[in-house]
Amino acid sequence: GNSVTQMEGPVTLSEEAFLTINCTYTATGYPSLFWYVQYPGEGLQLLLKATKADDKGSNKGFEATYRKETTSFHLEKGSVQVSDSAVYFCALIKTDKLIFGTGTRLQVFP
Amino acid sequence: KAGVTQTPRYLIKTRGQQVTLSCSPISGHRSVSWYQQTPGQGLQFLFEYFSETQRNKGNFPGRFSGRQFSNSRSEMNVSTLELGDSALYLCASSSGDLRMNTEAFFGQGTRLTVV
Repeated sequence: GNSVTQMEGPVTLSEEAFLTINCTYTATGYPSLFWYVQYPGEGLQLLLKATKADDKGSNKGFEATYRKETTSFHLEKGSVQVSDSAVYFCALIKTDKLIFGTGTRLQVFP
Repeated sequence: KAGVTQTPRYLIKTRGQQVTLSCSPISGHRSVSWYQQTPGQGLQFLFEYFSETQRNKGNFPGRFSGRQFSNSRSEMNVSTLELGDSALYLCASSSGDLRMNTEAFFGQGTRLTVV
C-alpha cells in the first residue's frame, strides 16, 4: 500500500547547521509529495510541495526534490535557526487524503 | 481571511461518554477532512466531507462519525469514549480535490483527553 517513512528524531542541531530530514515513500503511480511543519501547540502548516518527478519544492530556505528513482523527498536547509524548532511531517496524497510519516522533531539550539 | 477554526481547543471527557468537535473551514472551502494525531499512531485520516457528502473514510470504528452542514462547517462525533481516543484531532479544509493540487489548511486542533 501507500506509505511514508521518515527518519526517527529528535534531530538536534546548533544554529546555522545544515539540516537533512530523510523521507522515502511507497506508492502506486506518482503522487504529489509534501512537507508539513507543526510548531508547538499548533496545527499543521504546509511548508513545501512537489507534484511530479524532479520537481523541487522550496519555502523559507527549506528545499526538497522529488526523486522518483529513489522514491525519496528529503528535506534540507542550509542554515537552521532556533525558530525552525518544530515537528516536520512528510506526506503524500492518496485518493484525496494525506498519508503522513511519523514526524521528525527538530531541536535547534543557539 | 480567517483560517480554519476548531472548537473547543481542549476537552476532558470520561470513558463511555460521547463528544462532538466542531470545525469551521475557510470561507469558500467546501472540503473538510479530519485527522487523529497520537504519539503512537501519528497522523491518521478519519474522513472527508465535500458539499455535505462523505467522500472518503479511514479505518476507524463506527464510534467515529461526522457530518457537514450546508455552510461547510463540520462536526465530528465520538461515542462511547475509550482511553485510547485521547488525541489531538485536526481538521483541514480545502477548496477542492487535493489531487488537483489544492492546498489543505489545518486548524489548531482539539485536544481530547479521556479519563
